[in-house]
Amino acid sequence: KAGVTQTPRYLIKTRGQQVTLSCSPISGHRSVSWYQQTPGQGLQFLFEYFSETQRNKGNFPGRFSGRQFSNSRSEMNVSTLELGDSALYLCASSADPLAGPWNEQFFGPGTRLTVL
Amino acid sequence: AQSVTQLDSHVSVSEGTPVLLRCNYSSSYSPSLFWYVQHPNKGLQLLLKYTSAATLVKGINGFEAEFKKSETSFHLTKPSAHMSDAAEYFCVVSAGNQFYFGTGTSLTVIP
Repeated sequence: KAGVTQTPRYLIKTRGQQVTLSCSPISGHRSVSWYQQTPGQGLQFLFEYFSETQRNKGNFPGRFSGRQFSNSRSEMNVSTLELGDSALYLCASSADPLAGPWNEQFFGPGTRLTVL
Repeated sequence: AQSVTQLDSHVSVSEGTPVLLRCNYSSSYSPSLFWYVQHPNKGLQLLLKYTSAATLVKGINGFEAEFKKSETSFHLTKPSAHMSDAAEYFCVVSAGNQFYFGTGTSLTVIP
């Protein structure tokens, strides 16, 4: 089974621009979560989607948004980029976290976003 | 409320000596607990998970963790460190449909 894939792997943008990151979950997985990882703040939860609906949202401004398609693929968008948005963005998929405690998350390699 | 505390931000051990990475959790529910490892510039890989079947959980690469409810701990251990174990380790508690990550422990292995 193919793992979680994220595209692109690296991205360089300038302040004020917007960016879209893509995540393809493991086949059959319906839940996709997004995380931001920075040296200062560690791993922070952005949001989780299940069956095209956002089920959970972390404490990030509205500039961060996401969506999920019917094939479970997910995108996240960051508008009006700021220098502080430079981070590794990780996507994780699971079958359904509510189906039982054995549904661990499987992580992709991440997208490294640099904002200049 | 759910939370995870990793008691050491950095741990340094010599190759061949035991590894102990400490984790305490707080959970309103009977928790599911995980340890993930992240090598430089890589995503997170699951090491092991506790889901109430057994208190001593064995994972990959010789790691294991013991769930101690009375101490609300889930410490990660390995009898003998290898150079390839150098990485960042995250303790995670799962509640409902959300994962709560600790701040991570950076493990250095000295040759």
